[in-house]
Amino acid sequence: EVQLVQSGAEVKKPGESLKISCQTFGYSFNTYWIAWVRQLPGKGLEWMGIIHPRESHTRYNPSLEGQVTISADKSITTAYLHWRSLRTSDTAIYYCARGATGHDGFDIWGHGTMVTVSS
Amino acid sequence: DIVMTQSPLSLPVTPGEPASISCRSSQSLLHSNGFNYLDWYVQKPGQSPQLLISLGSNRASGVPDRFSGSGSGTDFTLKISTVEADDVGIYYCMQARQNPPTFGGGTKVEIK
Repeated sequence: EVQLVQSGAEVKKPGESLKISCQTFGYSFNTYWIAWVRQLPGKGLEWMGIIHPRESHTRYNPSLEGQVTISADKSITTAYLHWRSLRTSDTAIYYCARGATGHDGFDIWGHGTMVTVSS
Repeated sequence: DIVMTQSPLSLPVTPGEPASISCRSSQSLLHSNGFNYLDWYVQKPGQSPQLLISLGSNRASGVPDRFSGSGSGTDFTLKISTVEADDVGIYYCMQARQNPPTFGGGTKVEIK
């Protein structure tokens, strides 16, 4: 069964760093993109960026570029979303989602990681 | 960025009746390859989003044929032929024609 299993909820203070993960199972990790999508409290969905694990090719939403880093570790079929310095405005649910090359929708989603940033 | 506009914001529905959601984009989503890069997702209460329709009209695996997508260019529609109680949730369209992909604001489907 294809699954994306995300790391657990996090509570952090402004200025702290954080890396959340999305471990994949049941398919060839190197043949699909992994996207990160965030959902601010009570709001809609925002695409943050995407990585292709084979070459670690990444693309970011220009509105977020420089604020987060997306990476992948092929040896453990896991993608990551990393902040060097969190802000309270980063409080959100973060989803990873799988996408095929050439785009045919994001067909498998993780369960989401709730990140709370508060002083 | 391409702006996606959905209507209505809220859609009360009666089980057994049809329902329709509109999605408009600020730029054409039709690629030269003939595909419209428009997806539909539903986020049921307390769950992650799930793919319903890709490339404008392709039903995702396991999606009932009650759901259909249509449209081209800048105007798209998601139709539910016969609403069931389990269809409640927030429906989003998303364009993948241009980076960054952008979502509509969502349409909340609820049972009357």
